[in-house]
Amino acid sequence: NAGVTQTPKFRILKIGQSMTLQCTQDMNHNYMYWYRQDPGMGLKLIYYSVGAGITDKGEVPNGYNVSRSTTEDFPLRLELAAPSQTSVYFCASSPRGTGNTIYFGEGSWLTVV
Amino acid sequence: QKEVEQNSGPLSVPEGAIASLNCTYSDRVSQSFFWYRQYSGKSPELIMSIYSNGDKEDGRFTAQLNKASQYVSLLIRDSQPSDSATYLCAVNYPNTGNQFYFGTGTSLTVIP
Repeated sequence: NAGVTQTPKFRILKIGQSMTLQCTQDMNHNYMYWYRQDPGMGLKLIYYSVGAGITDKGEVPNGYNVSRSTTEDFPLRLELAAPSQTSVYFCASSPRGTGNTIYFGEGSWLTVV
Repeated sequence: QKEVEQNSGPLSVPEGAIASLNCTYSDRVSQSFFWYRQYSGKSPELIMSIYSNGDKEDGRFTAQLNKASQYVSLLIRDSQPSDSATYLCAVNYPNTGNQFYFGTGTSLTVIP
């Protein structure tokens, strides 16, 4: 059971570089999310999507972009990486319907130096 | 503003004791509430969900919801060292793209 798959698991970026975190889910979920988690902190929503072709900003969208061309894929783009973007990134998905839970990928550890 | 507040701890309990974790939320619109467990270096995993006022039990875990007071709690009975983790409270807002807001988590250590 693949569930939510994120790549890469670890990455070191230099300041100013760009990269894309890949996320795919095989559960046919409508909703997908990107969160970041800083040490000792909770999860902060970066972007979310309610379906293919529809994305919206969460709490902390600055410095990031997303796209949702298919139901399965929800990549997160980091433009001009900054040290403040050093964090653990979690992709997640949820099925349609009130009260359904959210399923997480294994996380991507990103360090910007 | 959608706030979810938790006592960050750390909370330490002896093995076999009851651990009590609390969470408050700011928006009365919330309908669905979740507790996740997160081990160090791992992703969050669902422990319990609760939607109605009162208690919901699942094995050693009991979730309690009081919508009037806007709090949700998690009790862990007969705590085990394997319960040592960070516990995240999450609140779902279905009218905002099904967003989930998380508290900062409570770190629990169960002492053998």
